[in-house]
Amino acid sequence: EPEVTQTPSHQVTQMGQEVILRCVPISNHLYFYWYRQILGQKVEFLVSFYNNEISEKSEIFDDQFSVERPDGSNFTLKIRSTKLEDSAMYFCASSEKGPISGNTIYFGEGSWLTVV
Amino acid sequence: GQQVMQIPQYQHVQEGEDFTTYCNSSTTLSNIQWYKQRPGGHPVFLIQLVKSGEVKKQKRLTFQFGEAKKNSSLHITATQTTDVGTYFCAGRGGGTYKYIFGTGTRLKVLA
Repeated sequence: EPEVTQTPSHQVTQMGQEVILRCVPISNHLYFYWYRQILGQKVEFLVSFYNNEISEKSEIFDDQFSVERPDGSNFTLKIRSTKLEDSAMYFCASSEKGPISGNTIYFGEGSWLTVV
Repeated sequence: GQQVMQIPQYQHVQEGEDFTTYCNSSTTLSNIQWYKQRPGGHPVFLIQLVKSGEVKKQKRLTFQFGEAKKNSSLHITATQTTDVGTYFCAGRGGGTYKYIFGTGTRLKVLA
């Protein structure tokens, strides 16, 4: 079964450092998402991306965050200056169709970010 | 903003017993999805419900969407140890891409 792949699986970074989390969505999917999950808590929406632009973002996704699709396969989340509270599991996800059409969202295994 | 709550937060059942988790949204939803997350794992899509009052079954799992499209439930008949995990509902309001995940129900099945 096709899957969303994420790298790294775990990253430890110093507070204030920049982090880039990478994702390869499923190849024929057009809609891409980032979610995060703080340990033991619920999954939180960060951003959705379609047609090379952000289609929606949450209040969590402030100016410290950015997303990019630098080529035809990768989808990245950048955190410009990490804070302790950014420590979480970051999930990339993709779907073939958009939410209006009824989309099955496939999640990657996640990138665990620890800010120290 | 939209909030999605689930009850119970935790449930321990003996293998073979039934289990139900309830999901309630503060606003009317366009559709709702259910996910299962194993410990240490990632959310795995189970099903999507779109129509008011819709009921869908997947083997021992029964999903229901309320008539008012503000609540939903997942019922597992005769639980097995493989059912262990956290079950999340995720609701989407109209005119938005984002799914708001519920608080989750963590299921433990005792053999």
